[in-house]
Amino acid sequence: DGGITQSPKYLFRKEGQNVTLSCEQNLNHDAMYWYRQDPGQGLRLIYYSQIVNDFQKGDIAEGYSVSREKKESFPLTVTSAQKNPTAFYLCATRDLAGGRYEQFFGPGTRLTVL
Amino acid sequence: RKEVEQDPGPFNVPEGATVAFNCTYSNSASQSFFWYRQDCRKEPKLLMSVYSSGNEDGRFTAQLNRASQYISLLIRDSKLSDSATYLCVVKDNFNKFYFGSGTKLNVKP
Repeated sequence: DGGITQSPKYLFRKEGQNVTLSCEQNLNHDAMYWYRQDPGQGLRLIYYSQIVNDFQKGDIAEGYSVSREKKESFPLTVTSAQKNPTAFYLCATRDLAGGRYEQFFGPGTRLTVL
Repeated sequence: RKEVEQDPGPFNVPEGATVAFNCTYSNSASQSFFWYRQDCRKEPKLLMSVYSSGNEDGRFTAQLNRASQYISLLIRDSKLSDSATYLCVVKDNFNKFYFGSGTKLNVKP
């Protein structure tokens, strides 16, 4: 079954704890993105990667970290330095070689900090 | 100033109505344009890309006006199932995407 998977769907964390959100894709897409969505707001870019072992900061990277060791995987760590981490986190991919420009999204992870 | 701006709505329309959404973007070098649909507590899904010449997909028509830097989406013969939030998305000339905050549509019986 092709697509983008994110796990877990819901995540609860205590203040002061780091947590890692998973994003896996089997679409063979080169680019992967992490966004954050808060109620009533648009998606905001956290980090993105266009190639293995390389990634760039987005508009709100502070308090987050990523890695891209494999083409299929782009995990996001929410660190204790992130001041307001409760949000809906969305992973997206894009096929850079296919001549198309749209992004495809995974089902998202809802993170709640208690 | 936000990169992409949309009227948040909500737009409350009866079934069968025609409804139009507009979106403006600030970066004149933007390259690609899209409308996504997002259902409550779900991920965004691509509705359609927007081409310079305008394009239509069934009941949906998208238009782009580069000179005025706005994008529109027209939905004809609204269905109850069209109720969702519609996101305007703009890609710059690198590989970054900018999202509007969305326009909420409620189609009533």
